[in-house]
Amino acid sequence: TQLLEQSPQFLSIQEGENLTVYCNSSSVFSSLQWYRQEPGEGPVLLVTVVTGGEVKKLKRLTFQFGDARKDSSLHITAAQPGDTGLYLCAGFPLSNDYKLSFGAGTTVTVRA
Amino acid sequence: SAVISQKPSRDICQRGTSLTIQCQVDSQVTMMFWYRQQPGQSLTLIATANQGSEATYESGFVIDKFPISRPNLTFSTLTVSNLSPEDSSIYLCSAPKGLGRLETQYFGPGTRLLVL
Repeated sequence: TQLLEQSPQFLSIQEGENLTVYCNSSSVFSSLQWYRQEPGEGPVLLVTVVTGGEVKKLKRLTFQFGDARKDSSLHITAAQPGDTGLYLCAGFPLSNDYKLSFGAGTTVTVRA
Repeated sequence: SAVISQKPSRDICQRGTSLTIQCQVDSQVTMMFWYRQQPGQSLTLIATANQGSEATYESGFVIDKFPISRPNLTFSTLTVSNLSPEDSSIYLCSAPKGLGRLETQYFGPGTRLLVL
């Protein structure tokens, strides 16, 4: 059983459209991270959110951490083909704060 | 951020042999972690490599199959022993930022293993 439920599993959109990926849990996390992974490479850290209710922006990417620190979302505005990849949410649960729990991942394809 | 390198980047091995993967971090870290990832899927934690003590293995992973070394605070190795085609996967090492509270974890580029 995964602590973090990530949805959707797959997302295929046209260039210029917006998309949102969700990461939900019944557990509280001390922090959540979002990674993007491209084929043949390791996951690359995009952002870490630590404070409940926190919103972070990274160019066209907006990350939110829920008030209760149980959920997070990643929103991409005006997606580009370069945004294509596997997006992974991961977090340190309060119950075990040295071991990272991963969501199942969302494969995003942005068509030109 | 921490820079993590892995060697080899990929290998093709015969069944019954072993492969040792090296992981080097550019700064001292308390813990290092080894993961396995099937293409297009999420990561599964194999074990936590602790400096100065034995590695801690997750359910379904045993030391005989995945021996780990951690000789210092910047280096670790994972050996995948007695290889079978089911071991074909991507193996990733990771480390948290610095020596303090774990907030962020960085990953190496991965080692792609194909077992024939």
